[in-house]
Amino acid sequence: GENVEQHPSTLSVQEGDSAVIKCTYSDSASNYFPWYKQELGKRPQLIIDIRSNVGEKKDQRIAVTLNKTAKHFSLHITETQPEDSAVYFCAATSPGTGFQKLVFGTGTRLLVSP
Amino acid sequence: DAGVTQSPTHLIKTRGQHVTLRCSPISGHKSVSWYQQVLGQGPQFIFQYYEKEERGRGNFPDRFSARQFPNYSSELNVNALLLGDSALYLCASSVLADTQYFGPGTRLTVL
Repeated sequence: GENVEQHPSTLSVQEGDSAVIKCTYSDSASNYFPWYKQELGKRPQLIIDIRSNVGEKKDQRIAVTLNKTAKHFSLHITETQPEDSAVYFCAATSPGTGFQKLVFGTGTRLLVSP
Repeated sequence: DAGVTQSPTHLIKTRGQHVTLRCSPISGHKSVSWYQQVLGQGPQFIFQYYEKEERGRGNFPDRFSARQFPNYSSELNVNALLLGDSALYLCASSVLADTQYFGPGTRLTVL
């Protein structure tokens, strides 16, 4: 089945710096790659997603890139702010018979210091 | 615009008991998925339902079961609770099955 690896496990940056989180997946049939932000005690919040027919997607300070050949995708946050501090999870769909389940990475704890 | 809702928010049970968790999807969404999130880890897939039929099941024992109702709400049932079942149980709603929006979760503590 699908396996998603995520690095780094923790990331500390200064406010205004950029942050990059990287994920790799194993199933070449995976075709949908969302990123979730989870603040302490709260629900995972979908922040951006990308499909396998697109190489890059941007939404204000957040961008995601996908390299299907290498089977990896990355989250880029520019001009980080203290409110970006949270745990970020990447995920990939593992297509099954008639359904798609999300397989999550292990998470990256991002700390943005003022 | 109501999001995914789950009840109860918190639950404390003892080993051997059973529990029922509930989820109401976003209006118009016909698919509900259940995930278990152990502290410090990413969510793990348990079930997916679409149009009231089970479409997929993760690597969880038969003590875990679920169903989806005609109004697309869903229940997750866990029997013979073990200490290791303590976790945050998340429900995710989607139109089909890919773009999934999570509810606030039910935190289950098994003593």
